[in-house]
Amino acid sequence: AQSVAQPEDQVNVAEGNPLTVKCTYSVSGNPYLFWYVQYPNRGLQFLLKYITGDNLVKGSYGFEAEFNKSQTSFHLKKPSALVSDSALYFCAVRVMTTDSWGKLQFGAGTQVVVTP
Amino acid sequence: NAGVTQTPKFRVLKTGQSMTLLCAQDMNHEYMYWYRQDPGMGLRLIHYSVGEGTTAKGEVPDGYNVSRLKKQNFLLGLESAAPSQTSVYFCASSYLGVAGELFFGEGSRLTVL
Repeated sequence: AQSVAQPEDQVNVAEGNPLTVKCTYSVSGNPYLFWYVQYPNRGLQFLLKYITGDNLVKGSYGFEAEFNKSQTSFHLKKPSALVSDSALYFCAVRVMTTDSWGKLQFGAGTQVVVTP
Repeated sequence: NAGVTQTPKFRVLKTGQSMTLLCAQDMNHEYMYWYRQDPGMGLRLIHYSVGEGTTAKGEVPDGYNVSRLKKQNFLLGLESAAPSQTSVYFCASSYLGVAGELFFGEGSRLTVL
């Protein structure tokens, strides 16, 4: 069965420092990987996705993520965090197999707190 | 362009009552979804639809029903609400079934007493 794990419930970082949010996945086929962000009392917003091609994917708000097939990871990164990046981040994986519609599996989420 | 709109945003029900959550999208998307969000559990898929007139069960469909009579609308019904259905419900839509990103509504917070 496919699964996605976000090993950290919370990540604390000082403004201006690099931010990394970890995600690992387990699938039997080729994964489609996504990152979403949720601000308080709002719906999720799409940040970026990996479908195929270049392992480094650039997305919204200066975020990027690196697909690592050997480590089955898709960590989200930002070189210099802002206080406004404080939010809940979700990794999600979708895999297409011969008998699967390709449902999206979300991780439990990682709370990012950026302090001034 | 409103995107995905959910109504109502808040609702309190008593156990056994029924209600319907309405989701409307104006992006002409084929795919629509209902998720529930509970602390520490991420989002779990309740039901989804791959087009007008079609619906299918997700991970946690028990106690819910859905209908997609019009392409732009996706209704989620609770026939007999239970406290375990206290949650935040999100509707989403996408233009591609597999590779497309989801566009989410703002959520509907439901409390069942």
